[in-house]
Amino acid sequence: QQQVKQSPQSLIVQKGGISIINCAYENTAFDYFPWYQQFPGKGPALLIAIRPDVSEKKEGRFTISFNKSAKQFSLHIMDSQPGDSATYFCAALRGGYNKLIFGAGTRLAVHP
Amino acid sequence: NAGVTQTPKFRILKIGQSMTLQCTQDMNHNYMYWYRQDPGMGLKLIYYSVGAGITDKGEVPNGYNVSRSTTEDFPLRLELAAPSQTSVYFCASSLGGSNTEAFFGQGTRLTVV
Repeated sequence: QQQVKQSPQSLIVQKGGISIINCAYENTAFDYFPWYQQFPGKGPALLIAIRPDVSEKKEGRFTISFNKSAKQFSLHIMDSQPGDSATYFCAALRGGYNKLIFGAGTRLAVHP
Repeated sequence: NAGVTQTPKFRILKIGQSMTLQCTQDMNHNYMYWYRQDPGMGLKLIYYSVGAGITDKGEVPNGYNVSRSTTEDFPLRLELAAPSQTSVYFCASSLGGSNTEAFFGQGTRLTVV
C-alpha cells in the first residue's frame, strides 16, 4: 500500500523553465507535507513544507500548492537552475506520530 | 555540532553475516528513525524511536532490530544478512512535537553478496 504517490519518476527541464512535481496522499489524518531535496551521495534535506490549513506556500523560487479536497500537493520550481538538479521527495506526516512517509522520488535534471 | 553521524559509509557483507549500523546525533532530538532507500522506491521506514527505551516498527521491519539506550544513539542491527537487504540506509532525527523537521545522516551503502 503506497500512502504517498509521487510523479513523475524523472523530469528534464531547461534552465529558466518551471519544474513541477506532483504528489497524492490517501490518509486524511496526515497534517504536515514537506518536500525534501537530495543530492547524490548525501542524505535528504528539508526544502519546504506546508500544513493543510493553507493552499500555497512560497519560499524564493520554490512553491508548494496544496489541494485538500483532492488530497494532492505539488512542488513548483520557478526559473529552474542546473544547481537544482537533484532528487526530490514529497512526504506526509500524521500529527502526534512523527513518522514521515515518503513518496518514491523524482529525479530532476536541469539542462543549461 | 555534527548533526546526525552514521558509520560506516560503505560495507560489503556475505549472506548470513551480521552487522550493526551506527547512528548518533548531538542535537538532543527525541525522535530517531531508520530508513532504507532503494532505486525508484523512495525511503521506507524500518524502525523509529520516540525516546530512550522506546522503539517501534515502521513499514519494513523484517530482518532488522534496533535499540535506544541513550538519547544520542540508535543502532540498527542486521542479524542474518540477505541480498534483499542490499540498500542505502539513512538514519534521521527530529525534535518532535510541533517541530517536525527531520535531519538525515549521510547514509550507509550496504551490499550483501
